[in-house]
Amino acid sequence: NAGVMQNPRHLVRRRGQEARLRCSPMKGHSHVYWYRQLPEEGLKFMVYLQKENIIDESGMPKERFSAEFPKEGPSILRIQQVVRGDSAAYFCASSPEQGRNTEAFFGQGTRLTVV
Amino acid sequence: AQRVTQPEKLLSVFKGAPVELKCNYSYSGSPELFWYVQYSRQRLQLLLRHISRESIKGFTADLNKGETSFHLKKPFAQEEDSAMYYCASLSTSGTYKYIFGTGTRLKVLA
Repeated sequence: NAGVMQNPRHLVRRRGQEARLRCSPMKGHSHVYWYRQLPEEGLKFMVYLQKENIIDESGMPKERFSAEFPKEGPSILRIQQVVRGDSAAYFCASSPEQGRNTEAFFGQGTRLTVV
Repeated sequence: AQRVTQPEKLLSVFKGAPVELKCNYSYSGSPELFWYVQYSRQRLQLLLRHISRESIKGFTADLNKGETSFHLKKPFAQEEDSAMYYCASLSTSGTYKYIFGTGTRLKVLA
């Protein structure tokens, strides 16, 4: 099992462009979480998805950000019209189920730089 | 709102010295607390969770409800312990998700 795979590892975008971050969960995991880490801050929860459903998007910015987890293929975090403040590390995690004792496994993250 | 505080950004200790990484939480119920570690160029991985009361790589962490703390300790630091350490609480507001502290970078000096 290769673990949670995120790509690209590094992404540079100019202001106003779109950024697409991909996350393939571990085999057998149907729960995906996205976290954002701004410089000098901890990881902040953004969104929790199951296949074809957004379950909890309480941490997502109201505009320009969207996420999906289609029936086939990876989960995608999409940021439209990026701004400098979107520069951060974006981490994806997956788990086989939801629950108090369920461990989430993290990917290596995508570092987004907006220039 | 639930919050996790790690007051130290950087902690430097000499090899063989004891280590204590501080973590305080704010939660009125029964918290679920974790320590995650990120070694250089590697992914975040679970080190230990309070519910299992285990010792991993010589590290232990005890939940102190009176002080609302979950400090990570190791009696004798090793150079390979150098890493970024994150304390996390499991939020049960809505769905289960982690609330992370800002992390502490541990440097173990030879």
